[in-house]
Amino acid sequence: GIQVEQSPPDLILQEGANSTLRCNFSDSVNNLQWFHQNPWGQLINLFYIPSGTKQNGRLSATTVATERYSLLYISSSQTTDSGVYFCAASYGQNFVFGPGTRLSVLP
Amino acid sequence: ETGVTQTPRHLVMGMTNKKSLKCEQHLGHNAMYWYKQSAKKPLELMFVYSLEERVENNSVPSRFSPECPNSSHLFLHLHTLQPEDSALYLCASSQHPLGGVKSSYEQYFGPGTRLTVT
Repeated sequence: GIQVEQSPPDLILQEGANSTLRCNFSDSVNNLQWFHQNPWGQLINLFYIPSGTKQNGRLSATTVATERYSLLYISSSQTTDSGVYFCAASYGQNFVFGPGTRLSVLP
Repeated sequence: ETGVTQTPRHLVMGMTNKKSLKCEQHLGHNAMYWYKQSAKKPLELMFVYSLEERVENNSVPSRFSPECPNSSHLFLHLHTLQPEDSALYLCASSQHPLGGVKSSYEQYFGPGTRLTVT
């Protein structure tokens, strides 16, 4: 089945800094999502992005399906961006989640 | 609010108890999922229901028993659990393609039930 890797595993930033999170997947996918998990466990949808580029405020994402990776960009980070960021990929309905990137934004 | 609710939010149970987790989606989706998230591990897909039929069961022990009575409700019945079953259990829903109509599998998650088995 599909394998999903994320890097870096941990990231510490000063408030206002920019960052790039990476998701690599081992096989062809037709679904890819980015989530932010808050401290209470809620998974918040950031992007559904099987291909191309999307932007939402300070966040943007790019998926290059032919090269089997996706990137999540966070600009001008805020303390509220702290948490774990997951990507999940699938070909069909059975998503496989990566191990996540734990982001800590310091004031 | 994602349109997916889960109850209870927290549950403590003994190994001999029987309990059920409930999930309800208000998004008009036709597929629902159970995931398990253990400490320091990625989310693991447990069960998938599409159009109220179970289409995936990822080698989950029989002490976990799912039920999907309709497309809006999903249950996870628990019995004789082990301490290693303590985890966050997450429910999700999505809209699957029907009759060749293009649709995404974008998933929406509930807030989870944090289960502790003593």
